[in-house]
Amino acid sequence: EPEVTQTPSHQVTQMGQEVILRCVPISNHLYFYWYRQILGQKVEFLVSFYNNEISEKSEIFDDQFSVERPDGSNFTLKIRSTKLEDSAMYFCASSPIPGYTFGSGTRLTVV
Amino acid sequence: TQLLEQSPQFLSIQEGENLTVYCNSSSVFSSLQWYRQEPGEGPVLLVTVVTGGEVKKLKRLTFQFGDARKDSSLHITAAQPGDTGLYLCGGGGSNYKLTFGKGTLLTVNP
Repeated sequence: EPEVTQTPSHQVTQMGQEVILRCVPISNHLYFYWYRQILGQKVEFLVSFYNNEISEKSEIFDDQFSVERPDGSNFTLKIRSTKLEDSAMYFCASSPIPGYTFGSGTRLTVV
Repeated sequence: TQLLEQSPQFLSIQEGENLTVYCNSSSVFSSLQWYRQEPGEGPVLLVTVVTGGEVKKLKRLTFQFGDARKDSSLHITAAQPGDTGLYLCGGGGSNYKLTFGKGTLLTVNP
Protein backbone atom coordinates (compact mmCIF):
# COMPACT_ATOMS: atom_id res chain seq x y z
CA GLU A 1 0.00 0.00 0.00
CA PRO A 2 1.39 3.46 -0.88
CA GLU A 3 2.86 5.38 2.04
CA VAL A 4 3.79 8.91 2.94
CA THR A 5 7.40 8.85 4.13
CA GLN A 6 8.84 11.38 6.55
CA THR A 7 12.45 11.95 7.55
CA PRO A 8 13.99 12.25 10.01
CA SER A 9 11.83 10.45 12.54
CA HIS A 10 13.38 12.48 15.35
CA GLN A 11 15.24 15.79 15.21
CA VAL A 12 16.82 17.59 18.12
CA THR A 13 17.87 21.18 17.48
CA GLN A 14 19.02 24.18 19.44
CA MET A 15 16.76 27.17 19.80
CA GLY A 16 17.32 29.64 16.98
CA GLN A 17 18.56 27.03 14.52
CA GLU A 18 16.91 26.26 11.20
CA VAL A 19 15.36 22.85 10.59
CA ILE A 20 14.04 21.20 7.47
CA LEU A 21 11.54 18.40 7.78
CA ARG A 22 11.18 16.20 4.73
CA CYS A 23 8.26 14.29 3.30
CA VAL A 24 7.69 12.14 0.24
CA PRO A 25 3.94 12.19 -0.48
CA ILE A 26 2.12 9.52 -2.46
CA SER A 27 3.05 10.11 -6.08
CA ASN A 28 -0.38 10.59 -7.69
CA HIS A 29 -1.80 12.73 -4.90
CA LEU A 30 -2.50 16.37 -5.59
CA TYR A 31 -2.93 17.94 -2.15
CA PHE A 32 -0.21 18.11 0.44
CA TYR A 33 -0.38 19.21 4.05
CA TRP A 34 1.61 19.77 7.19
CA TYR A 35 0.04 19.34 10.60
CA ARG A 36 1.58 19.38 14.03
CA GLN A 37 0.68 17.82 17.35
CA ILE A 38 2.13 19.20 20.57
CA LEU A 39 2.38 16.48 23.20
CA GLY A 40 -1.04 15.81 24.70
CA GLN A 41 -2.82 18.26 22.43
CA LYS A 42 -4.90 18.03 19.29
CA VAL A 43 -3.57 17.70 15.77
CA GLU A 44 -3.39 21.24 14.31
CA PHE A 45 -3.43 22.33 10.69
CA LEU A 46 -0.40 24.30 9.52
CA VAL A 47 -0.57 24.56 5.74
CA SER A 48 -2.04 23.05 2.59
CA PHE A 49 -0.27 22.99 -0.77
CA TYR A 50 -1.80 22.45 -4.19
CA ASN A 51 -0.59 23.07 -7.70
CA ASN A 52 2.84 24.11 -6.42
CA GLU A 53 1.60 26.83 -4.15
CA ILE A 54 0.18 27.35 -0.69
CA SER A 55 -3.61 27.11 -0.85
CA GLU A 56 -4.28 27.83 2.82
CA LYS A 57 -2.30 28.40 6.00
CA SER A 58 -3.15 28.76 9.66
CA GLU A 59 -2.17 31.54 12.04
CA ILE A 60 0.50 29.19 13.40
CA PHE A 61 2.22 29.24 10.01
CA ASP A 62 3.97 32.59 10.39
CA ASP A 63 6.99 34.03 8.60
CA GLN A 64 9.28 31.54 10.35
CA PHE A 65 7.68 28.68 8.39
CA SER A 66 7.94 27.89 4.70
CA VAL A 67 7.14 24.95 2.47
CA GLU A 68 8.62 23.81 -0.81
CA ARG A 69 8.21 21.05 -3.34
CA PRO A 70 11.68 21.38 -4.82
CA ASP A 71 11.80 18.43 -7.20
CA GLY A 72 8.25 17.21 -7.79
CA SER A 73 8.50 14.42 -5.24
CA ASN A 74 9.78 15.82 -1.95
CA PHE A 75 7.70 18.21 0.14
CA THR A 76 9.59 20.10 2.83
CA LEU A 77 8.71 22.21 5.84
CA LYS A 78 11.36 24.68 6.96
CA ILE A 79 11.39 26.45 10.29
CA ARG A 80 13.87 29.31 10.05
CA SER A 81 14.60 30.08 13.69
CA THR A 82 13.20 27.44 16.01
CA LYS A 83 11.61 28.31 19.32
CA LEU A 84 11.04 26.05 22.32
CA GLU A 85 7.31 26.05 21.59
CA ASP A 86 7.94 24.56 18.15
CA SER A 87 8.66 21.23 19.86
CA ALA A 88 5.99 18.85 18.55
CA MET A 89 5.27 15.95 16.23
CA TYR A 90 5.03 17.23 12.69
CA PHE A 91 2.93 15.19 10.29
CA CYS A 92 2.92 15.39 6.53
CA ALA A 93 -0.17 14.19 4.69
CA SER A 94 -1.31 13.87 1.12
CA SER A 95 -4.64 13.22 -0.52
CA PRO A 96 -6.27 13.00 -3.89
CA ILE A 97 -9.70 13.81 -2.40
CA PRO A 98 -11.05 13.97 1.17
CA GLY A 99 -9.34 11.26 3.20
CA TYR A 100 -5.70 11.73 3.99
CA THR A 101 -2.73 9.44 4.21
CA PHE A 102 -0.50 10.68 7.01
CA GLY A 103 3.18 9.97 7.43
CA SER A 104 4.56 8.62 10.68
CA GLY A 105 5.74 12.04 11.72
CA THR A 106 8.93 13.79 12.75
CA ARG A 107 9.35 14.44 16.45
CA LEU A 108 11.03 17.84 16.72
CA THR A 109 12.63 18.70 20.04
CA VAL A 110 13.95 22.23 20.47
CA VAL A 111 16.38 22.63 23.37
CA THR B 1 -13.21 29.18 13.97
CA GLN B 2 -14.58 25.69 13.53
CA LEU B 3 -14.34 23.48 16.61
CA LEU B 4 -14.93 19.78 17.06
CA GLU B 5 -15.70 18.34 20.47
CA GLN B 6 -15.12 14.67 21.05
CA SER B 7 -16.57 12.66 23.90
CA PRO B 8 -15.75 10.89 26.01
CA GLN B 9 -12.13 11.96 26.28
CA PHE B 10 -11.16 8.64 27.88
CA LEU B 11 -12.90 5.27 27.70
CA SER B 12 -11.77 2.03 29.31
CA ILE B 13 -13.85 -1.08 28.68
CA GLN B 14 -13.60 -4.86 28.78
CA GLU B 15 -13.13 -7.02 25.72
CA GLY B 16 -16.46 -7.89 24.15
CA GLU B 17 -18.30 -4.72 25.20
CA ASN B 18 -19.86 -2.27 22.78
CA LEU B 19 -19.06 1.44 22.78
CA THR B 20 -19.92 4.67 21.03
CA VAL B 21 -17.80 7.79 20.75
CA TYR B 22 -19.09 11.13 19.60
CA CYS B 23 -17.88 14.06 17.58
CA ASN B 24 -19.92 17.29 17.73
CA SER B 25 -19.68 20.76 16.31
CA SER B 26 -21.77 23.86 15.81
CA SER B 27 -20.29 24.14 12.30
CA VAL B 28 -21.22 22.32 9.11
CA PHE B 29 -18.46 20.28 7.49
CA SER B 30 -18.15 19.13 3.90
CA SER B 31 -16.87 15.78 5.11
CA LEU B 32 -16.10 14.02 8.37
CA GLN B 33 -13.18 11.68 8.70
CA TRP B 34 -12.33 9.24 11.46
CA TYR B 35 -8.75 8.26 12.21
CA ARG B 36 -7.03 6.00 14.69
CA GLN B 37 -3.66 7.00 16.05
CA GLU B 38 -1.18 4.77 17.87
CA PRO B 39 1.45 6.33 20.18
CA GLY B 40 4.31 7.87 18.19
CA GLU B 41 2.60 7.25 14.86
CA GLY B 42 0.57 9.29 12.42
CA PRO B 43 -3.22 9.06 12.26
CA VAL B 44 -4.54 6.27 10.05
CA LEU B 45 -7.72 6.92 8.09
CA LEU B 46 -10.64 4.66 9.00
CA VAL B 47 -13.47 6.21 7.02
CA THR B 48 -14.70 9.35 5.28
CA VAL B 49 -18.38 10.32 5.33
CA VAL B 50 -19.66 13.12 3.13
CA THR B 51 -23.45 12.91 2.97
CA GLY B 52 -25.75 13.96 5.83
CA GLY B 53 -27.30 10.87 7.39
CA GLU B 54 -24.72 8.58 5.84
CA VAL B 55 -23.88 5.35 7.65
CA LYS B 56 -20.76 3.34 6.84
CA LYS B 57 -19.73 0.00 8.26
CA LEU B 58 -16.20 -1.30 8.49
CA LYS B 59 -16.34 -4.79 10.02
CA ARG B 60 -17.23 -4.13 13.70
CA LEU B 61 -17.09 -0.35 13.32
CA THR B 62 -20.16 1.70 12.33
CA PHE B 63 -19.81 5.37 11.45
CA GLN B 64 -22.68 7.80 11.17
CA PHE B 65 -22.73 11.37 9.87
CA GLY B 66 -25.48 13.56 11.27
CA ASP B 67 -28.24 14.80 8.98
CA ALA B 68 -27.03 18.40 9.35
CA ARG B 69 -23.38 17.38 8.80
CA LYS B 70 -22.37 18.84 12.16
CA ASP B 71 -21.85 15.66 14.15
CA SER B 72 -20.77 12.07 13.84
CA SER B 73 -20.53 8.91 15.89
CA LEU B 74 -18.38 5.82 15.86
CA HIS B 75 -19.83 2.62 17.29
CA ILE B 76 -17.66 -0.42 17.94
CA THR B 77 -19.29 -3.78 18.50
CA ALA B 78 -17.60 -6.46 20.59
CA ALA B 79 -14.45 -4.44 21.20
CA GLN B 80 -11.10 -6.21 21.12
CA PRO B 81 -7.74 -5.26 22.68
CA GLY B 82 -6.51 -4.48 19.16
CA ASP B 83 -9.04 -1.64 19.00
CA THR B 84 -7.07 0.24 21.67
CA GLY B 85 -5.89 3.63 20.44
CA LEU B 86 -6.70 7.30 20.08
CA TYR B 87 -9.73 7.88 17.85
CA LEU B 88 -9.76 11.24 16.12
CA CYS B 89 -12.48 12.88 14.12
CA GLY B 90 -11.56 15.51 11.57
CA GLY B 91 -13.99 17.88 9.89
CA GLY B 92 -13.26 18.78 6.28
CA GLY B 93 -13.24 22.40 5.20
CA SER B 94 -11.85 24.55 2.42
CA ASN B 95 -8.95 23.05 0.44
CA TYR B 96 -9.74 19.79 2.24
CA LYS B 97 -8.18 21.23 5.38
CA LEU B 98 -9.09 19.21 8.47
CA THR B 99 -10.09 20.51 11.86
CA PHE B 100 -9.48 17.82 14.45
CA GLY B 101 -11.04 17.11 17.80
CA LYS B 102 -8.85 16.22 20.79
CA GLY B 103 -9.70 12.57 20.39
CA THR B 104 -11.07 9.72 22.47
CA LEU B 105 -8.45 7.49 24.06
CA LEU B 106 -9.90 3.99 24.06
CA THR B 107 -8.46 1.17 26.14
CA VAL B 108 -9.89 -2.31 25.68
CA ASN B 109 -8.83 -4.64 28.48
CA PRO B 110 -8.52 -8.38 27.84
